[in-house]
Amino acid sequence: GAVVSQHPSRVICKSGTSVKIECRSLDFQATTMFWYRQFPKKSLMLMATSNEGSKATYEQGVEKDKFLINHASLTLSTLTVTSAHPEDSSFYICSATDRKNTEAFFGQGTRLTVV
Amino acid sequence: AQSVTQLDSHVSVSEGTPVLLRCNYSSSYSPSLFWYVQHPNKGLQLLLKYTSAATLVKGINGFEAEFKKSETSFHLTKPSAHMSDAAEYFCVVSGGYGGATNKLIFGTGTLLAVQP
Repeated sequence: GAVVSQHPSRVICKSGTSVKIECRSLDFQATTMFWYRQFPKKSLMLMATSNEGSKATYEQGVEKDKFLINHASLTLSTLTVTSAHPEDSSFYICSATDRKNTEAFFGQGTRLTVV
Repeated sequence: AQSVTQLDSHVSVSEGTPVLLRCNYSSSYSPSLFWYVQHPNKGLQLLLKYTSAATLVKGINGFEAEFKKSETSFHLTKPSAHMSDAAEYFCVVSGGYGGATNKLIFGTGTLLAVQP
């Protein structure tokens, strides 16, 4: 199947700093990418949907100014957690679909810890 | 609106015995349904998917699931559990039309433990 690479896999940052997470589709063009957040022992919560070249669509309750999403090319989307706080600590996962849009391919996830 | 309900948060089986992870769905039209597996601190791997073709879907690692419209169920089964099957399993319904995956809606997950 198609490969989605997410980087970094693990990051620790200080409160108040910003962190960027990258999501790349390695062998296909990802027309749509999704960003999820997973709390400990909980399910995945969709944060936003991004289409290449357009603004991301955020789910209700997700602060767009806090979680900046950029999908500048067909193979790369980034999620920037701005002015991170300890409550932003979580597991963030991206997924991508190709033009056929029949399957979502997931990245390995990023464990963010804000101290 | 679409939703999925995973009936068991934890399931424990002995190695070599059958696995049954239950999932019920709600959808206003013919849904696309998926099962994903997540090992600790890892991303998600697709086990199998149903997109209105055969109702019995075979996936990887010996898993299969049967789409039962009359029961609105999509239970995941495996005849014989292996230690490596211990993981979190998510039942997922697509929020899009037909086979589209515009928005995936996740169940709350079932943690499968396999005892030696």
